[in-house]
Amino acid sequence: DAKTTQPNSMESNEEEPVHLPCNHSTISGTDYIHWYRQLPSQGPEYVIHGLTSNVNNRMASLAIAEDRKSSTLILHRATLRDAAVYYCILSTTGTASKLTFGTGTRLQVTL
Amino acid sequence: DTEVTQTPKHLVMGMTNKKSLKCEQHMGHRAMYWYKQKAKKPPELMFVYSYEKLSINESVPSRFSPECPNSSLLNLHLHALQPEDSALYLCASSQRQGRGEKLFFGSGTQLSVL
Repeated sequence: DAKTTQPNSMESNEEEPVHLPCNHSTISGTDYIHWYRQLPSQGPEYVIHGLTSNVNNRMASLAIAEDRKSSTLILHRATLRDAAVYYCILSTTGTASKLTFGTGTRLQVTL
Repeated sequence: DTEVTQTPKHLVMGMTNKKSLKCEQHMGHRAMYWYKQKAKKPPELMFVYSYEKLSINESVPSRFSPECPNSSLLNLHLHALQPEDSALYLCASSQRQGRGEKLFFGSGTQLSVL
């Protein structure tokens, strides 16, 4: 399975933008890049996903490098409610597709 | 309704007990998943069902037995568990099993094995 590398933790001030990096140098041409987050005492929550082009939704933006070996999740204005573990995941190719979580980045948001 | 409902929320069982975890969704999704999460670790995939058929078993010990009786329901039967099986068990669903699919997770069942 293609692997992802993320920083263990990051800090941000409230109402500032946050850029969460992810390296995935062994990504294959058909792997999607997914981001999920997990708030304390909850199941993971879908944030965004993409294949080649940058993606935007109401929660975040996903910027994908041209060579697809890295990506960045952008939270435009962090709030205290965004404090969570953020997982960058590559979905596997083939008929038995699955999501394998890596270690993730713990985001702390402070006032 | 975009919810995945898991019951019970908490479960304590002895090593000789038999219990079941239940997961339900009414989104018309045809893929369902079981993940196991130990404290401060990422979720680990256990099983995937696609159209009520077992698609992936990640070499899970036979003391865990999944069942998908219909497209809305997923069970995990537990028998002769060990204390190291104590964890948060998460259920998820998606429209189909595929690379670009979005997973919806339940809040999990916190299992303690004594």
